[in-house]
Amino acid sequence: QKEVEQNSGPLSVPEGAIASLNCTYSDRGSQSFFWYRQYSGKSPELIMSIYSNGDKEDGRFTAQLNKASQYVSLLIRDSQPSDSATYLCAVNPFFNKFYFGSGTKLNVKP
Amino acid sequence: GAGVSQTPSNKVTEKGKYVELRCDPISGHTALYWYRQSLGQGPEFLIYFQGTGAADDSGLPNDRFFAVRPEGSVSTLKIQRTERGDSAVYLCASSPSQNTEAFFGQGTRLTVV
Repeated sequence: QKEVEQNSGPLSVPEGAIASLNCTYSDRGSQSFFWYRQYSGKSPELIMSIYSNGDKEDGRFTAQLNKASQYVSLLIRDSQPSDSATYLCAVNPFFNKFYFGSGTKLNVKP
Repeated sequence: GAGVSQTPSNKVTEKGKYVELRCDPISGHTALYWYRQSLGQGPEFLIYFQGTGAADDSGLPNDRFFAVRPEGSVSTLKIQRTERGDSAVYLCASSPSQNTEAFFGQGTRLTVV
């Protein structure tokens, strides 16, 4: 079992819609969770971090964490074509390394 | 510079050669990570430094790979006797401390021919 699982996609949504990206993790003791955006040929860019159960909002982005279900999600409201990228979920279970999922590719269609 | 800097951006080397990849973290960041990313995959952990010491090197694939951070700032990833399977993008990230947000450099694309 991989430490972090993501649906590889692609997830296609129309411009202006809500994109919902999901991630599950295996280590119940994990304490910190991150979402990165990666454009093709570029390095990962941090967009959200979340450390406690519930929702955290930053502009059009909302991260949701449910530790009981070992589930992290990212909602992107009013999706734009510029949001088209691969979204990587990262989990830091041991305070010394981040495990990444393989990423979900998001396509926002104009 | 404001961000993590990696050099070179691209490196092409012949099978069997030795390469060094350099990472200059964000000033003041004590934690430094090396990852490797192959096409279509997420970053794969290689090694983590806290200060000068390698706190976790469990991700290094074999003894051909070695990394140092002698003064607690710049780090060098060293690969001996390169193999074609070592071809990937090598990513460096730094964070203010462990368990906090990590910021990536632009990566070094290594191609072994």
